[in-house]
Amino acid sequence: GNSVTQMEGPVTLSEEAFLTINCTYTATGYPSLFWYVQYPGEGLQLLLKATKADDKGSNKGFEATYRKETTSFHLEKGSVQVSDSAVYFCAYSGGSNYKLTFGKGTLLTVNP
Amino acid sequence: GAGVSQSPSNKVTEKGKDVELRCDPISGHTALYWYRQSLGQGLEFLIYFQGNSAPDKSGLPSDRFSAERTGGSVSTLTIQRTQQEDSAVYLCASASTDTQYFGPGTRLTVL
Repeated sequence: GNSVTQMEGPVTLSEEAFLTINCTYTATGYPSLFWYVQYPGEGLQLLLKATKADDKGSNKGFEATYRKETTSFHLEKGSVQVSDSAVYFCAYSGGSNYKLTFGKGTLLTVNP
Repeated sequence: GAGVSQSPSNKVTEKGKDVELRCDPISGHTALYWYRQSLGQGLEFLIYFQGNSAPDKSGLPSDRFSAERTGGSVSTLTIQRTQQEDSAVYLCASASTDTQYFGPGTRLTVL
């Protein structure tokens, strides 16, 4: 069935380190892809999205490229900050109801 | 502008009681979703409303769960005869296109 697999955490990095969180999906058709972020004690916030193959979503220094050939949407950031500590969720939407199917989330902790 | 709001933010109830959770979507958004976030199951889709169409209830886990959306705006999720396994954070999202915007959630604890 349709699913999203993302890198299991937790991930712990030092400030200014490079971040990659892998995400692959299994879906029919041409889904839209998303990264959502959940900061401690807060709700889900949209971080970035891409709606078609080869699109690159970007926001707050984060980037992810929609790779249809590898069904992937890996999240990257060149230099993380302590304030990036959060749980990151990869998701896709598709089908007639556009519901989101989420990965299990990756906890990122950035130490000063 | 105002985002999605949900109330209450926290709800503690006893097993067997009924609860109602409320969602106020972003004004003008025609689509509204409910999800559940729990430690064991992650984020799960529950129900979807789009305009005046019949809701997609395919994610509701049992017939104890129901939801309605009045006037194409506010939505209420009702859980009857709550069980301990219903303890979770219930998230509401609204959308006008393919992007969903989430509320802060209601944390439900069933004792």
